Amino acid sequence: EAQVTQNPRYLITVTGKKLTVTCSQNMNHEYMSWYRQDPGLGLRQIYYSMNVEVTDKGDVPEGYKVSRKEKRNFPLILESPSPNQTSLYFCATQSNYGYTFGSGTRLTVV
Amino acid sequence: GENVEQHPSTLSVQEGDSAVIKCTYSDSASNYFPWYKQELGKRPQLIIDIRSNVGEKKDQRIAVTLNKTAKHFSLHITETQPEDSAVYFCAASSYQGAQKLVFGQGTRLTINP
Repeated sequence: EAQVTQNPRYLITVTGKKLTVTCSQNMNHEYMSWYRQDPGLGLRQIYYSMNVEVTDKGDVPEGYKVSRKEKRNFPLILESPSPNQTSLYFCATQSNYGYTFGSGTRLTVV
Repeated sequence: GENVEQHPSTLSVQEGDSAVIKCTYSDSASNYFPWYKQELGKRPQLIIDIRSNVGEKKDQRIAVTLNKTAKHFSLHITETQPEDSAVYFCAASSYQGAQKLVFGQGTRLTINP
């Protein structure tokens, strides 16, 4: 079954404590991206990757890092989380049939 | 860059009536316009899309129209049912090696029985 798997689903952390949200896909898609969803703002792209070792900033990259060492994995890294990064995060892959989103990670930074 | 505006932010209709959600985009190079449905607590899922060489596309009770000159596109849901209640997002992109989607702000649709 084609899947985009994100972990964890829920995370509560404290300001400044580094964290990583993992994303893995089994569809061999080249294009992967991270979005955050906030009420009234829709989905905004954080970072994207067009292939292994090729990443670039989206519209709201500040405070985030990514890496793409393998085609299937695209982790999102928050080196020093702050409360304004409290949000719902989605990883997505893209094919000719559009985007496939992961199940989401609800992050709370206190 | 591309900017997508979506209206209304909330919409409440009686079961069986029609619902229309409208979006405008700014980049005339955009050529792909998908719509996503997000049920409560779940991921967005593609429900219909349209490309710029087509003015209208229909899939059962759902249709999308595109006006390239005015740079706006709309989602039409007919004979609404309670399971249509969800948040709907429009998006736009122009092919640049990969399709970066820029999303609208979302519309929360509520179907009243």
